[in-house]
Amino acid sequence: GNSVTQMEGPVTLSEEAFLTINCTYTATGYPSLFWYVQYPGEGLQLLLKATKADDKGSNKGFEATYRKETTSFHLEKGSVQVSDSAVYFCALSENTGTASKLTFGTGTRLQVTL
Amino acid sequence: DGGITQSPKYLFRKEGQNVTLSCEQNLNHDAMYWYRQDPGQGLRLIYYSQIVNDFQKGDIAEGYSVSREKKESFPLTVTSAQKNPTAFYLCASSMGRVVTGELFFGEGSRLTVL
Repeated sequence: GNSVTQMEGPVTLSEEAFLTINCTYTATGYPSLFWYVQYPGEGLQLLLKATKADDKGSNKGFEATYRKETTSFHLEKGSVQVSDSAVYFCALSENTGTASKLTFGTGTRLQVTL
Repeated sequence: DGGITQSPKYLFRKEGQNVTLSCEQNLNHDAMYWYRQDPGQGLRLIYYSQIVNDFQKGDIAEGYSVSREKKESFPLTVTSAQKNPTAFYLCASSMGRVVTGELFFGEGSRLTVL
């Protein structure tokens, strides 16, 4: 079956530090890959996505590249802000069949301090 | 504003009682989903529905039931058969197959069994 593995948190960084959150996946077929973010007390919202190998998703200074050879989709940001403190979820969806659902990782909590 | 509304935000129930969580969307989306979120386990899919009057079990459907009588509504009932019902429940919707689109989430309902 499909699965997503994320690095355990919390990740604690100082403001303006470089961020990497690792994500690897196992899937049959050719999945689409997503990063979702959950701010405190809220639901999840889509941060970025990539639908095929070598695609780079980007949004709000965050980037992730779909690497088929390493089955990875690591999230990066060059300079984090306190407002980036949240839980980040990596997810995948299959491009085959009629099923339409996402498989999520366990989430990585990011804490950014001044 | 378009979006997903979940209610109630907080709910307490005694053991042995059924409880129904409401989820309403005005995005005109075809597909709706229920996820359960537990610390350290990420999101797990309970049920999903791609069209009215049809729904499928997700990965952890035991002890839960749903209905989809209207396009905009997808209520979740947590029955007394659910052994560990205390959790954060998230409802989501998507326009079509989630492989190309995104999931839109509500703000969640936190259920506590006393």
